[in-house]
Amino acid sequence: DAGITQSPRHKVTETGTPVTLRCHQTENHRYMYWYRQDPGHGLRLIHYSYGVKDTDKGEVSDGYSVSRSKTEDFLLTLESATSSQTSVYFCAIRDRGQETQYFGPGTRLLVL
Amino acid sequence: AQSVTQPDIHITVSEGASLELRCNYSYGATPYLFWYVQSPGQGLQLLLKYFSGDTLVQGIKGFEAEFKRSQSSFNLRKPSVHWSDAAEYFCAVGADSWGKLQFGAGTQVVVTP
Repeated sequence: DAGITQSPRHKVTETGTPVTLRCHQTENHRYMYWYRQDPGHGLRLIHYSYGVKDTDKGEVSDGYSVSRSKTEDFLLTLESATSSQTSVYFCAIRDRGQETQYFGPGTRLLVL
Repeated sequence: AQSVTQPDIHITVSEGASLELRCNYSYGATPYLFWYVQSPGQGLQLLLKYFSGDTLVQGIKGFEAEFKRSQSSFNLRKPSVHWSDAAEYFCAVGADSWGKLQFGAGTQVVVTP
């Protein structure tokens, strides 16, 4: 258990509304990541962070923004949700000592 | 372009039989290699990883994987599957200092009695 929680775990929203997903970790890891999981695509990187206020884009960043004002929290925001953003979102931390990523339980988002 | 390929979308195996899941990658240098497992409705659990050294690595739940540089492959094996091994399996590759991972599309494993 890498001490990662995600909230909410499930959310239904309507097209055009803003949505924020939260990832919280308890072990002071510097690196954090947001992925989305879709059938046939595996997991794809949205954004990642390498420290407080230090973030960068991943493979599928369009329509998403992130913020990290504290080490323990990494927020993913959909400014105006679209149906194509219906997905399962996973947060991960990177344990630098083991050079390994550990994943949170995921957030299932449905955009109607 | 860098890529990770899991050629088998779906595999059905009998309980007690052996299992092999294939993973091929295309990267300029030897990357970090991982296998994760995802049970229905769950998050991803690390099975094993390869960074360097012995090319045969042992993981949890009786799984092992072999890195073959000449074939750019990192195949996952289990000698005798259990019904609880039914899940989706993902191969992942990392090759930069930021630790970003690229995942294969996954292989769904069904275990029959």
